[in-house]
Amino acid sequence: LAKTTQPISMDSYEGQEVNITCSHNNIATNDYITWYQQFPSQGPRFIIQGYKTKVTNEVASLFIPADRKSSTLSLPRVSLSDTAVYYCLVVLLSGSARQLTFGSGTQLTVLP
Amino acid sequence: NAGVTQTPKFRVLKTGQSMTLLCAQDMNHEYMYWYRQDPGMGLRLIHYSVGEGTTAKGEVPDGYNVSRLKKQNFLLGLESAAPSQTSVYFCASRSLPSEGHNEQFFGPGTRLTVL
Repeated sequence: LAKTTQPISMDSYEGQEVNITCSHNNIATNDYITWYQQFPSQGPRFIIQGYKTKVTNEVASLFIPADRKSSTLSLPRVSLSDTAVYYCLVVLLSGSARQLTFGSGTQLTVLP
Repeated sequence: NAGVTQTPKFRVLKTGQSMTLLCAQDMNHEYMYWYRQDPGMGLRLIHYSVGEGTTAKGEVPDGYNVSRLKKQNFLLGLESAAPSQTSVYFCASRSLPSEGHNEQFFGPGTRLTVL
């Protein structure tokens, strides 16, 4: 069964680096892996996207191994405002069908 | 630009009633999506559209219909609402696939309660 798996929750202290991993066991070969951030009562907001190896932007890095069966979102030096739910979004293969699939989300709580 | 807007923000229905949720985007995006989000779960794709006049089923399409008569609008209909359709509904849009620009832009959501 094609699915994604993320840790339900993580705690961190301000200033630390946080790594959140999403496992996706049957990912389509030609689609991007995307991560979103969601605050309560808001729609998800784009963080970063990658296809393979490593991608970095002004807010995060994304690490994707060669087999693409997982991806790791890295948030450097988190602050209290980074407390949110983080989702991975991938295209999974289910038989011959391609299914756009969100992970179940990781609640990150940043402590002072 | 307003981005992606959703109407209404909140709605309460009785079982068996019908309603339409409206999503509008002003970014000239080709792709549009409807998701539902339930407590403790990620977003699940209901229906999507890759262009004006086209629609396709997502992961959880049963009980919903959609229409994309205009490029900027994507409507989600519930013909006969059921309590299981109580959820927060999010609309999203995206431009045509291109190198480095494939992110979806989300609306603020519609909170629907079916009694």
